[in-house]
Amino acid sequence: AQRVTQPEKLLSVFKGAPVELKCNYSYSGSPELFWYVQYSRQRLQLLLRHISRESIKGFTADLNKGETSFHLKKPFAQEEDSAMYYCALSSGGYNKLIFGAGTRLAVHP
Amino acid sequence: NAGVMQNPRHLVRRRGQEARLRCSPMKGHSHVYWYRQLPEEGLKFMVYLQKENIIDESGMPKERFSAEFPKEGPSILRIQQVVRGDSAAYFCASSPSRIPSTDTQYFGPGTRLTVL
Repeated sequence: AQRVTQPEKLLSVFKGAPVELKCNYSYSGSPELFWYVQYSRQRLQLLLRHISRESIKGFTADLNKGETSFHLKKPFAQEEDSAMYYCALSSGGYNKLIFGAGTRLAVHP
Repeated sequence: NAGVMQNPRHLVRRRGQEARLRCSPMKGHSHVYWYRQLPEEGLKFMVYLQKENIIDESGMPKERFSAEFPKEGPSILRIQQVVRGDSAAYFCASSPSRIPSTDTQYFGPGTRLTVL
């Protein structure tokens, strides 16, 4: 079965601390993986996709097929990073997304 | 470009009534996806439509739920005879194509349905 697991509902860190939001997936083919973010009172928006291998707002994520993981990392958290983060998997040819339950990141001053 | 529009933003219905949720995709986007988010859960895929066609409805409940995307006008998600378990946030997303590696899904603000 295709599934995305985000084991932490809440991750609370202080400003300047490193952040790692965990994401594990289950998928039989070659996965397309994404991180979406929802800031307070804003829409869900794409943060980054694994195929682009880019860094957005200081965040990076590496696809590890051996561990079936796609953890999101940032070396130094900022208060404006506080948001809800969703890991998602694109399933099949129709690009429907399978989402994890989300992790709320709270960055304290 | 105003982005994906959804209305209403909040909808309250009594059990047994009908709920109609509307989604206007971004200009130039012909692919629409509907997702449902129950409390404390992630978004769950419901249906994927192109203009005048339902392409994938594998996530839609078998009864009471239907969706359309007519040639003109917004996409509509219709829930007949609503029950309390239908209370959720319903999100619409649009994209210019269905290629995940190149085309992003842009999400609307969602419609929060409350069934009394």
